[in-house]
Amino acid sequence: DTGVSQDPRHKITKRGQNVTFRCDPISEHNRLYWYRQTLGQGPEFLTYFQNEAQLEKSRLLSDRFSAERPKGSFSTLEIQRTEQGDSAMYLCASSLVLSEETQYFGPGTRLLVL
Amino acid sequence: QQQVKQSPQSLIVQKGGIPIINCAYENTAFDYFPWYQQFPGKGPALLIAIRPDVSEKKEGRFTISFNKSAKQFSLHIMDSQPGDSATYFCAAKVGGADGLTFGKGTHLIIQP
Repeated sequence: DTGVSQDPRHKITKRGQNVTFRCDPISEHNRLYWYRQTLGQGPEFLTYFQNEAQLEKSRLLSDRFSAERPKGSFSTLEIQRTEQGDSAMYLCASSLVLSEETQYFGPGTRLLVL
Repeated sequence: QQQVKQSPQSLIVQKGGIPIINCAYENTAFDYFPWYQQFPGKGPALLIAIRPDVSEKKEGRFTISFNKSAKQFSLHIMDSQPGDSATYFCAAKVGGADGLTFGKGTHLIIQP
């Protein structure tokens, strides 16, 4: 399967703990996006990378959130000091720069903060 | 401020019927309008997309109608099947910037 993959698929954590998610984009896709989706809502844009550079961050991305894409391939999203309001599906998508609108989504990581 | 408003929230249609989902946007800088389909536990999958210089686009059983002056666009599903039962999201994007702005979704059920 050469689609976008995300790991883990599910994560349960206690409030105050740190969590890290990983996204592997489609090979050779140089743009990588993170979104958050809460129950009954559409995905909300968090941030995106072009290669290893983080080019845009939404105001939804508080200081407790940090994303990296160190070698321009996979990306990680870390949430520090998790809160119950962080419970959501975290989606990753990738695209090529030349067809940047066509974003392919991964299956998501579902986070539950107790 | 919700930039893309989607309706209805839920829709039930008999097999073979034509469900219609509507979206309205406010930001005139949007220049790309895709529709995504999402099944439970899966990520959204791109169905079809349109740019504002075209009023209609068809791909298979899916058609987008676009009204630039009204700032509205809609998805029609021809000959709907039970397998089309899913949540559908409209979205919009400003070229070269940010990610997609999504509507809140329409939960569609096609009854056999």
